Amino acid sequence: QVQLVQSGAEVRKPGASVKLSCKASGFTFTNYYIHWVRLAPGHGLEWMGIINPSSGVTMSAQNFQGRLTFTRDTSTGTVYMELSSLRSEDTAVYYCGRVAAVRTPIDYWGQGTLLTVSS
Amino acid sequence: EIVLTQSPATLSLSPGERATLSCRASQSVGGTYLAWYQHKPGQAPRLLIFDASTRATGIPHRFSGSGSGTDFTLTISRLEPEDFAVYYCQQYDSSPETFGQGTRLEIK
Repeated sequence: QVQLVQSGAEVRKPGASVKLSCKASGFTFTNYYIHWVRLAPGHGLEWMGIINPSSGVTMSAQNFQGRLTFTRDTSTGTVYMELSSLRSEDTAVYYCGRVAAVRTPIDYWGQGTLLTVSS
Repeated sequence: EIVLTQSPATLSLSPGERATLSCRASQSVGGTYLAWYQHKPGQAPRLLIFDASTRATGIPHRFSGSGSGTDFTLTISRLEPEDFAVYYCQQYDSSPETFGQGTRLEIK
C-alpha cells in the first residue's frame, strides 16, 4: 500500500540546521511530486515547497528566503527537506505529501515529524 | 499569492447536526482546484474533497463540497462523533499552493 514514512522527532538549537526525510513505498516514486507542509502551534497548515523526484527540480515558498533545500535519493525512494538558520518559530510538525501531477491535491501524507527549536 | 480565509474559526455543533464550513479566496481559483482536508491531533491530514466537489476515495457521502471562483463550502450533512476535527481548504491552482487557517469543529 502507499506509504510515506517520515523520520523521527528532532530537537535543535536556534541557528542550527535540520534534515528531515520522507521515504516512499507502494508506488513509483518518480511518477509523483512530493510536497512539504508544516503545522506550527497556533497556526494552520503552511505550504513549504515541492520536489519532482524524477528531475530533482524544486520550488520553495518565498517565506523561507533561501533557508530551505529539497533533495532526493531515487535509489531509496526518499526525499529530504533541510531547513537552516533555525529559529523558535520553526517549531512545528512537518509533513510530506504526494501529488500525482501539477494541479492535483495531496492524496497521501506522511505521519509527520515534530521539530522543536529551543535553546 | 491566493489567500484563503476560512469561517468560522470554530464551529460548535452536536452529533446529528449539519455543519457548513466556508472558504473564501482573495482571487478566483481557476479550474475549481480546491481541496478540503480533515486533520485530527497526532494524525496525518486526510483528503476529503478535491476539485471543489469530488469526494476522495472512501469518503462518506455525508461530506460534500461546492463552490467556484472565490467562494467554496464544505458541508457535513449529519455529524458523526468522528467528524470533530480541524478542517482546512487548500487551493492548488497556482503556486504557492496555499491553505486556509482552518475551522475547528468541536462538540457542543
